[in-house]
Amino acid sequence: SQTIHQWPATLVQPVGSPLSLECTVEGTSNPNLYWYRQAAGRGLQLLFYSVGIGQISSEVPQNLSASRPQDRQFILSSKKLLLSDSGFYLCAWNGQGNTEAFFGQGTRLTVV
Amino acid sequence: GESVGLHLPTLSVQEGDNSIINCAYSNSASDYFIWYKQESGKGPQFIIDIRSNMDKRQGQRVTVLLNKTVKHLSLQIAATQPGDSAVYFCAENRGDTGRRALTFGSGTRLQVQP
Repeated sequence: SQTIHQWPATLVQPVGSPLSLECTVEGTSNPNLYWYRQAAGRGLQLLFYSVGIGQISSEVPQNLSASRPQDRQFILSSKKLLLSDSGFYLCAWNGQGNTEAFFGQGTRLTVV
Repeated sequence: GESVGLHLPTLSVQEGDNSIINCAYSNSASDYFIWYKQESGKGPQFIIDIRSNMDKRQGQRVTVLLNKTVKHLSLQIAATQPGDSAVYFCAENRGDTGRRALTFGSGTRLQVQP
């Protein structure tokens, strides 16, 4: 069966520090991968999606970047965090075509 | 656009009553829709989906209705239970070439009163 792992679960980082969140998927090949952000009490905002290794599409201009160095690995990064980067970050995957997306358990990032 | 910046509306129901959560979508090219349930501090979980060639789909205690004419989606939960308390999101796949990511609605918080 397929599983998605996202870590860490919580993170507190100072303003100006770098960020690296990692997401890996097991049990499937060539998944579509996504990073979403959710502000407290709000909906999900799509940040990045990837349909293959090295292929990254950005949905909104921001202080973050994403990379996909391997087929089932998706990384969210920042060189210098801002206070506004605080939020709940969710990684997700789905198969090719119209299929449901499966989410990781999320990383709660607090920038102080 | 993406659903951010909006405080979640809340639906409060009594245990045992039926719940109806509504969602409007804007893109007539969307061809696949999903309802997700998100409990506090967790990732969204799949509830039920429907494709644009259908008007209704039923699961266990849940029914999704799709009205393409007015671009409206609803989730009906029968005999609502305290465990149903969560935030519910609708999501659409817009079917654009090369873009298969789900776009989420703003969400509705369901509170079940015992």
